[in-house]
Amino acid sequence: EVRLAESGGGLVKPGGSLRLSCAASEFTFSSYSMNWVRQAPGKGLEWVSSISDGGNHIFYADSVKGRFTISGDKAKNSLYLQMNSLRAEDTAVYYCARDPYDTAGMDVWGQGTTVTVSS
Amino acid sequence: QSVLTQPPSASGTPGQRVSISCSGSSSNIGGNTVNWYQQLPGTAPKLLIYSNNQRPSGVPDRFSGSKSGTSASLAISGLQSDDEADYYCAAWDDTLNGRVVFGGGTKLTVL
Repeated sequence: EVRLAESGGGLVKPGGSLRLSCAASEFTFSSYSMNWVRQAPGKGLEWVSSISDGGNHIFYADSVKGRFTISGDKAKNSLYLQMNSLRAEDTAVYYCARDPYDTAGMDVWGQGTTVTVSS
Repeated sequence: QSVLTQPPSASGTPGQRVSISCSGSSSNIGGNTVNWYQQLPGTAPKLLIYSNNQRPSGVPDRFSGSKSGTSASLAISGLQSDDEADYYCAAWDDTLNGRVVFGGGTKLTVL
């Protein structure tokens, strides 16, 4: 079964760092555009970052630019999100999602991992 | 403030047809395709419609999408109680070096 599984969330103090992982199963993640999308408690979906198939094109939301870095490891068939200088407003459930059409139509989502930024 | 504008709520009775609108601009809906997601409480979003009006395998044909100019719409016919969920539109946006934009979401209540 095609699947994505996030991990790495947790409680971190403001200014701290965290690295999220997203393991892909039954498909090669580097053959697709991949995204990170987050959802703050009680709020809507917010796109965070995208990486194109092959990794040549990377995009970030203004709210995370300069603080977050998206990357992938072909050998581990995994996507990552390195999050630095974390703020309270980064508190959210973070989802990774596959975009086979390269048009924001994300057909496979993980279950999400929760990041809480609090002192 | 979301780049794509959706009504915060919608409602209908079982069997009814309801529509949810999504308004954008030339840099997103006007020049790119629209996608719709359904999110049941406590679960990850699910792709409902892609490329304006295409249904992924397994999505019932009660769900349909359309687009005209800088606006799009999701229609649900034969409303069922388990359609009660949050619905989001999304599109690629060509501004700011490229980004994905979502609507603020519409909470659908089945009365």
